[in-house]
Amino acid sequence: KNQVEQSPQSLIILEGKNCTLQCNYTVSPFSNLRWYKQDTGRGPVSLTIMTFSENTKSNGRYTATLDADTKQSSLHITASQLSDSASYICVVTHGGFQKLVFGTGTRLLVSP
Amino acid sequence: GAVVSQHPSRVICKSGTSVKIECRSLDFQATTMFWYRQFPKQSLMLMATSNEGSKATYEQGVEKDKFLINHASLTLSTLTVTSAHPEDSSFYICSAQGQGGDEQYFGPGTRLTVT
Repeated sequence: KNQVEQSPQSLIILEGKNCTLQCNYTVSPFSNLRWYKQDTGRGPVSLTIMTFSENTKSNGRYTATLDADTKQSSLHITASQLSDSASYICVVTHGGFQKLVFGTGTRLLVSP
Repeated sequence: GAVVSQHPSRVICKSGTSVKIECRSLDFQATTMFWYRQFPKQSLMLMATSNEGSKATYEQGVEKDKFLINHASLTLSTLTVTSAHPEDSSFYICSAQGQGGDEQYFGPGTRLTVT
């Protein structure tokens, strides 16, 4: 079954601290993996996209990693800011159907 | 670039009425548009895929007669929730995909509340 699981489900960190979010997937065949940020009541916004051959990709304070062998990805947020409070969603594109398989997200709260 | 808008952002309607939600790609031509529904604390669930000028393809379990989708132009798709009921209350999000690309650009969503 094509699934994307994320952990933790929710996370609270202090402003300025770093954190790492995890994503495991069973989607096959694999096309690419994206991390999105979704603010409450808003649509998802793409942070990074990685294909099979890419191991890491950065976007400012966001760094995503991908291990295609173990089917795991992580999103590392450096020097967190209050505006980072949001849900972070891992999305894998199914290579055959070209459909997006969404994880349930990690809700991050950055407190002052 | 790649901006997608939705209108309205919030709508409250009475049970039994119909509601239309618009999704527009503002700066690119969207050959394919997708409609998603998201319940609180859950992930996005794909409802249907529409290609410009053709009938939408609905996911299993989504009633095509209840959720009418029209994709009449390369920049506009509409979702009409017919005879809405309280259980249809949800956050509806559209996304748009340009020709030759697989990136989906998401709209800001529409919060529907059926009373």
